[in-house]
Amino acid sequence: GENVEQHPSTLSVQEGDSAVIKCTYSDSASNYFPWYKQELGKRPQLIIDIRSNVGEKKDQRIAVTLNKTAKHFSLHITETQPEDSAVYFCAAPDTGGFKTIFGAGTRLFVKA
Amino acid sequence: EAGVAQSPRYKIIEKRQSVAFWCNPISGHATLYWYQQILGQGPKLLIQFQNNGVVDDSQLPKDRFSAERLKGVDSTLKIQPAKLEDSAVYLCASSLATGSRETQYFGPGTRLLVL
Repeated sequence: GENVEQHPSTLSVQEGDSAVIKCTYSDSASNYFPWYKQELGKRPQLIIDIRSNVGEKKDQRIAVTLNKTAKHFSLHITETQPEDSAVYFCAAPDTGGFKTIFGAGTRLFVKA
Repeated sequence: EAGVAQSPRYKIIEKRQSVAFWCNPISGHATLYWYQQILGQGPKLLIQFQNNGVVDDSQLPKDRFSAERLKGVDSTLKIQPAKLEDSAVYLCASSLATGSRETQYFGPGTRLLVL
């Protein structure tokens, strides 16, 4: 949607714990929700995405869940490792469906 | 596969000067994006091209920013004159086609500092 809100802005976890980042969107017609990881000084890279026809998608330690009724989707990282430390961005389409709107980002710190 | 290339990687200029950034997308990618990423924020789309046509430039400050993709491949983004608030990382990205479902591949970015 035109507005994508992401929480929390900062998250600190102990190595091995789980981390959850949540995003809400405003356009109920939105149908594609990617998550990007950006390490310090590097480019954003797609880590997982979900389309509106499924409620959950998993890839090893990373999973994304989608609640279309509530218009929110979440990134779940299990068994966190120090190399998971980065800024994570969620994104969703704008009303027209051509443009991608990014959340403000969540800075994840994984303490060894 | 070669990724998205950008140059320069860093640029320092004084306010009111001009600057230009260059982007070479992944071969075969029809859609090219320029984003502005201010420190601590998510990328903000400035302009989106489909081949050499503009799909969206609604957030491009057209009084000072311009971009072109003349042959539908490489693109340049220009700022003239620069302001202090233009200090940011300028990210170029490309995707196979246009549409928010398309995976975007980002370049390394150009870090601009305006003094």
